[in-house]
Amino acid sequence: DQQVKQNSPSLSVQEGRISILNCDYTNSMFDYFLWYKKYPAEGPTFLISISSIKDKNEDGRFTVFLNKSAKHLSLHIVPSQPGDSAVYFCAASAGYTGANSKLTFGKGITLSVRP
Amino acid sequence: NAGVTQTPKFQVLKTGQSMTLQCAQDMNHEYMSWYRQDPGMGLRLIHYSVGAGITDQGEVPNGYNVSRSTTEDFPLRLLSAAPSQTSVYFCASTKGQGARWYGYTFGSGTRLTVV
Repeated sequence: DQQVKQNSPSLSVQEGRISILNCDYTNSMFDYFLWYKKYPAEGPTFLISISSIKDKNEDGRFTVFLNKSAKHLSLHIVPSQPGDSAVYFCAASAGYTGANSKLTFGKGITLSVRP
Repeated sequence: NAGVTQTPKFQVLKTGQSMTLQCAQDMNHEYMSWYRQDPGMGLRLIHYSVGAGITDQGEVPNGYNVSRSTTEDFPLRLLSAAPSQTSVYFCASTKGQGARWYGYTFGSGTRLTVV
């Protein structure tokens, strides 16, 4: 039973346009959500996070939106750049202390930004 | 500041062999985890630790052992390697506490092939 779902395996966008990456979750105990970016042959790197008490968090070109009632979050990248081409993982946890800090990951989305 | 260091980067094992994947962090992080990444499966939690002497199982613990004798080190032991354990393994750590949590910091991974 997949608790974090990234239903689209890939996304291709034109440079300068908006990239929207979607993520759904089923576990209502999840309280904290994160996006990680991964290049080939490297470990995932933290991109942006959001707590369940918020519905939006912004960091430069990256914005994450959370809709708790729909159990849905999305990552917006504006404007998209070729260097953003990578695999993006959505992850969730029930908190950030103790056993609650365990991360559950989605399967990832491969983003390709065309020059 | 090296972050999370994993060794070796690549390893080929024969079925039935045992080995230890090493993980060390120099950030004084309390929490450490091991994940495996398989094609189309995202990252799945194998074992995690919330402090020295404290470990627990994740989603896919069978065939693996861990121990945490120091804050810095969290080795993952494969008891009797099987082809199903062919994967990329990531170690990760986090401070865990604090108002702003950036999730886990990941190592660069160990690519393991079991033949």
